[in-house]
Amino acid sequence: AQKITQTQPGMFVQEKEAVTLDCTYDTSDQSYGLFWYKQPSSGEMIFLIYQGSYDEQNATEGRYSLNFQKARKSANLVISASQLGDSAMYFCAMREGPGGTSYGKLTFGQGTILTVHP
Amino acid sequence: KAGVTQTPRYLIKTRGQQVTLSCSPISGHRSVSWYQQTPGQGLQFLFEYFSETQRNKGNFPGRFSGRQFSNSRSEMNVSTLELGDSALYLCASSLEGRGKNNSPLHFGNGTRLTVT
Repeated sequence: AQKITQTQPGMFVQEKEAVTLDCTYDTSDQSYGLFWYKQPSSGEMIFLIYQGSYDEQNATEGRYSLNFQKARKSANLVISASQLGDSAMYFCAMREGPGGTSYGKLTFGQGTILTVHP
Repeated sequence: KAGVTQTPRYLIKTRGQQVTLSCSPISGHRSVSWYQQTPGQGLQFLFEYFSETQRNKGNFPGRFSGRQFSNSRSEMNVSTLELGDSALYLCASSLEGRGKNNSPLHFGNGTRLTVT
C-alpha cells in the first residue's frame, strides 16, 4: 500500500488565487512528521513546511499553510496568492517514528505538478 | 551558510561501468541521505549515513553503496551500471534534534546520471 498518496498529477491556478494540493498518508506510528517540498525544473528540492503528528495547530510558513486532519490522515498544502514562480512539482513526504534513528529516511508521494497562469 | 553541494552535476556513463557521486552536507549536519529520482518510480530512499555509519538502507541491490567520511562528506558508488540506473541522484543533509522529528532534509541540486 502507498504510504503517501497525492491524487492530483497536475493542478492549474490563476496568479494571485489560492490552491490546495492534496496529500493522504498511511502509518501505524503515533509519532511522525509530514513535510512538503517544492521541486522546480532545475531539480533542487526546496523545503516548504513541516507538520508534526502531535502538533495541535496547523503549520504556516508565509504563503504556505498545511491543512492537517489527523483522523482522516490528510495533510493538504494550501498556497495563498499564487505567483508565477510557484510553478513546480510539489511533493508530500513523511518521516515515521520518533526520529531518533531515521532522520534521513523520508517516504515521498508521486508529486503534483502545479502550473500558475498569469 | 553554504547549502548541500553535489558533484558532478551531470554524468554520462556506459553500461557496465561504475560511478562515484559526491556530496558535501551543510556545515554541522551529520546525517547524509541519498535518494534516487526517476519518472517511473519517483523519489526512492537509497541509504542514510550518520557519523560514518550506515544507519538505514532502502531496497536497492548491492551494486549501490556509499560511505561517509569523518568530515560528514559522503560518496555513493554504483557498480556495473545498468540502463535503469539513469536517474537524478539527490543528496540531503539534516540537523538532528534530540527527540524531535521536525528537522527537514536539505537537498542538493542533484547529479543527473545517464547510462547509455
